[in-house]
Amino acid sequence: KAGVTQTPRYLIKTRGQQVTLSCSPISGHRSVSWYQQTPGQGLQFLFEYFSETQRNKGNFPGRFSGRQFSNSRSEMNVSTLELGDSALYLCASSLGRNTEAFFGQGTRLTVV
Amino acid sequence: QKEVEQNSGPLSVPEGAIASLNCTYSDRGSQSFFWYRQYSGKSPELIMSIYSNGDKEDGRFTAQLNKASQYVSLLIRDSQPSDSATYLCAVNNGPNVDYKLSFGAGTTVTVRA
Repeated sequence: KAGVTQTPRYLIKTRGQQVTLSCSPISGHRSVSWYQQTPGQGLQFLFEYFSETQRNKGNFPGRFSGRQFSNSRSEMNVSTLELGDSALYLCASSLGRNTEAFFGQGTRLTVV
Repeated sequence: QKEVEQNSGPLSVPEGAIASLNCTYSDRGSQSFFWYRQYSGKSPELIMSIYSNGDKEDGRFTAQLNKASQYVSLLIRDSQPSDSATYLCAVNNGPNVDYKLSFGAGTTVTVRA
């Protein structure tokens, strides 16, 4: 059974640019969550999607957005990149509330 | 108050010893609790889930949950050098709020050979 797949694995972007990250969940999983991980802040919740609907959003600026498609694949977008957006972005999929969540390998974003 | 707090590390234990990790959470309505292991430069890997009060054992790992005390712990028995990693406690929020999995800051464990 394939795991959660995130693409790309690594990205280098310039300040002011935008970026789109992709996440393909485990087959049958309809919930996809996104997290930002930095050494100083740990794992921070960005948002969660279930059946194409955003059910919750973390405390991040509007530059961070996401969406989910009918096949449960999800994308997140960060516009007007700032140096502080450099982080490991992780996607996790699960069957739904209160079930186990499994992470992809992550996308390491570096903003220069 | 942070949603999920873990005992500060790093935690260094000799090979073969028991490593004990603790976690407290603030949302009394939380229903599911998880432990993840994260090696340096890798993504978190789920190692234990627990949903009801008491102990749950899986190999060398035992998770303990006490909802009244809002406390969850992880014991690693017969610690091996391969157990050296950061352990993250994660808590799913209660049924009356929107979905969110909250993480503690993590406890770094080093097993000395």
